[in-house]
Amino acid sequence: GAVVSQHPSRVICKSGTSVKIECRSLDFQATTMFWYRQFPKQSLMLMATSNEGSKATYEQGVEKDKFLINHASLTLSTLTVTSAHPEDSSFYICSARDFGYTFGSGTRLTVV
Amino acid sequence: SQQGEEDPQALSIQEGENATMNCSYKTSINNLQWYRQNSGRGLVHLILIRSNEREKHSGRLRVTLDTSKKSSSLLITASRAADTASYFCATDKNTGNQFYFGTGTSLTVIP
Repeated sequence: GAVVSQHPSRVICKSGTSVKIECRSLDFQATTMFWYRQFPKQSLMLMATSNEGSKATYEQGVEKDKFLINHASLTLSTLTVTSAHPEDSSFYICSARDFGYTFGSGTRLTVV
Repeated sequence: SQQGEEDPQALSIQEGENATMNCSYKTSINNLQWYRQNSGRGLVHLILIRSNEREKHSGRLRVTLDTSKKSSSLLITASRAADTASYFCATDKNTGNQFYFGTGTSLTVIP
């Protein structure tokens, strides 16, 4: 079946630095990928839709200048959290659409 | 949540009992999916039901969909301790590819 690889699985960074998270579709091409954020004991919130070769579409309330999304190829989307702050600490999960929706295993970001 | 609510928020049952979780959503949909998430981990897809389907089974799982009420239910029969997890419904709006998660139900199955 379709596999989505997300890397890194965990990252700790200092406040003010930037962190890049990668999401790869391993055995299929994904023109569209989705990025979600999940705070502890809460649901997943869709942040943005990543479109290959064009700008990402952000959900209301998500800062596009803070959460930079690049979808430069049909198998790779990246999410960069810029100038990270402790309140950005969260679980970030990507998803790609093949015949269905396949999720990566998530990245736990801790900003100290 | 962005699209739906689930109830109950938390459910605790004895092993062997059945667990029922409900999901309500806001807009018309193409599909509704149920996912499972173990604590702090990724999502596992359980089942997808299309808007023209009313009921679907997969092993010990039974999903119903009532589009007139914009609601769905997930029944897990003969629960096991290993079923302990959070369960989320997710719906796509029939106007786009995006799909949105409900608030989730935290299920605890006591051995």
